[in-house]
Amino acid sequence: DADVTQTPRNRITKTGKRIMLECSQTKGHDRMYWYRQDPGLGLRLIYYSFDVKDINKGEISDGYSVSRQAQAKFSLSLESAIPNQTALYFCATSDVAGGQKTQYFGPGTRLLVL
Amino acid sequence: AQKITQTQPGMFVQEKEAVTLDCTYDTSDQSYGLFWYKQPSSGEMIFLIYQGSYDEQNATEGRYSLNFQKARKSANLVISASQLGDSAMYFCAMREARSTLGRLYFGRGTQLTVWP
Repeated sequence: DADVTQTPRNRITKTGKRIMLECSQTKGHDRMYWYRQDPGLGLRLIYYSFDVKDINKGEISDGYSVSRQAQAKFSLSLESAIPNQTALYFCATSDVAGGQKTQYFGPGTRLLVL
Repeated sequence: AQKITQTQPGMFVQEKEAVTLDCTYDTSDQSYGLFWYKQPSSGEMIFLIYQGSYDEQNATEGRYSLNFQKARKSANLVISASQLGDSAMYFCAMREARSTLGRLYFGRGTQLTVWP
């Protein structure tokens, strides 16, 4: 089984709808992240969390919210989806700041907002 | 300013040849880590190789090596003996030690195409 899972894997929604992307991990990591990937822009950080009591904004948090329901679960919500939120979304986890292989990515969620 | 710069939007290489993908970075930290990820058309992010700023030797992982030039702040990925399956998007990324977040800064990527 995958260590970091994301649901759904693909989603089509309409402008104005609220949607939630979910991320679960079995690695026991404290740190979790949501990134967004747009063609030609690489991955950009939306939100990150150290633990269930700690939520922080990344560079592009406008229009998004998150919930850390448990150590293993980190959800990303689009309160009112708009077409420019069409992108590939990645959840990632990390154990400690040092050392290699510190980020483990989920398979991604492809979101299309019509 | 961009923390990671990848200046090659696209690269082409013939099968079995070597190819270098460029990456420069910007940080004032003394301690940092550099990563390369591969993203095939299926979309997943695959970790390839890591270089720590204090590592004296260039990192190698099979056909992948990282040409680390600290003074020039460059961390180029070298793929030897390219294979058709190497066709993918490649991302360079950096983690700064002063950031206890463990977050990564990514470049915009280089699309590598390997032709027969």
